[in-house]
Amino acid sequence: NAGVTQTPKFQVLKTGQSMTLQCAQDMNHNSMYWYRQDPGMGLRLIYYSASEGTTDKGEVPNGYNVSRLNKREFSLRLESAAPSQTSVYFCASTLDSTDTQYFGPGTRLTVL
Amino acid sequence: KQEVTQIPAALSVPEGENLVLNCSFTDSAIYNLQWFRQDPGKGLTSLLLIQSSQREQTSGRLNASLDKSSGRSTLYIAASQPGDSATYLCATEGSNYQLIWGAGTKLIIKP
Repeated sequence: NAGVTQTPKFQVLKTGQSMTLQCAQDMNHNSMYWYRQDPGMGLRLIYYSASEGTTDKGEVPNGYNVSRLNKREFSLRLESAAPSQTSVYFCASTLDSTDTQYFGPGTRLTVL
Repeated sequence: KQEVTQIPAALSVPEGENLVLNCSFTDSAIYNLQWFRQDPGKGLTSLLLIQSSQREQTSGRLNASLDKSSGRSTLYIAASQPGDSATYLCATEGSNYQLIWGAGTKLIIKP
């Protein structure tokens, strides 16, 4: 099992550009999450998908959109990148609410 | 709104010492509390998950405790090793199944 995979690992964007971060899991998990991690702060939830076909906003959804393409894949899109979106983005998945979350290696995004 | 705090932000101890990391939370209505480890440039790895009905969980040299009434959890690391150097994060899970995270404690074990 590869676990949770994320692409790309690094990305530099100019203000106003768009991009999609990809996430996939091969553990047959139901729930998937997108977080951002900024220096000196805990992880903050952007969006999550409790099950295939559903998505919900987390704590900091503004400027982002998501798609739960199927049970395996959950993508995060930045339509018009801003410097405030410079961060490390993590995707995670879990089987259910009694299980822990499994994390991908992260995408380090810089917006100039 | 739940707030999770980890103090200190950084800790440096000599190899072989036993140590305790602290996590406090403001809302005791939690489903569980989880401890994770993060190595530089890497994702997070789950260490221990304590359900709200439990008082502690153990895994090898790690022991995590939970006291919901006081809003506190501790992660005890026995006989620390340089390989334990990492950032340790705690997170609480509430009724909406979302995790609320502390900012982490960066632990350095000196050989």
